[in-house]
Amino acid sequence: AQTVTQSQPEMSVQEAETVTLSCTYDTSENNYYLFWYKQPPSRQMILVIRQEAYKQQNATENRFSVNFQKAAKSFSLKISDSQLGDTAMYFCAFMKPAGGTSYGKLTFGQGTILTVHP
Amino acid sequence: DTGVSQNPRHKITKRGQNVTFRCDPISEHNRLYWYRQTLGQGPEFLTYFQNEAQLEKSRLLSDRFSAERPKGSFSTLEIQRTEQGDSAMYLCASSTGTLLYSNQPQHFGDGTRLSIL
Repeated sequence: AQTVTQSQPEMSVQEAETVTLSCTYDTSENNYYLFWYKQPPSRQMILVIRQEAYKQQNATENRFSVNFQKAAKSFSLKISDSQLGDTAMYFCAFMKPAGGTSYGKLTFGQGTILTVHP
Repeated sequence: DTGVSQNPRHKITKRGQNVTFRCDPISEHNRLYWYRQTLGQGPEFLTYFQNEAQLEKSRLLSDRFSAERPKGSFSTLEIQRTEQGDSAMYLCASSTGTLLYSNQPQHFGDGTRLSIL
């Protein structure tokens, strides 16, 4: 079974600065996907960024980028030029691709509350 | 793409009552997942449907829980004889994929927040 650990319950950052959220995971799989989801207060969970384990290149989506270290089983999220709208709970999630006896369910970490201060 | 829709948004009920939640996935999505999220925690997987077939159930899904997806479109999650510990946010997510393979991310609804008095 897979486990995902987010060791930072809360983080804060000043607007326009950069912040990094940490995530580690444990799996015996070689092919898998990692995600960062954002859940604003009382709002819908939104996909921020996705990383395929077979790709060495780190994923980037505008101000969001990841540092994926497969051997270390580490998957951190860097938010550059933080904005007030980035305030949310951030979840790291693991997915084994659906196929065979796997059905593509997500395994989530405990989450990190990020507050962006003006 | 109208997104994943869940109803109701909030449900308050007395312990021992039955409740039913509904999820309407994105129209072309054949994969549907239910998760439960307690306060301050990450969502935990409950069950998965491929079209109308329920293919996986978590151990979290006790006998009091039942889920259906009768025509492969919307899904319902019913909890019978609710208990205090059932208080949580119930999230529905959907994605696309063939019967044999999928690597697509899941799209989530707003969730149904259940409070047991």
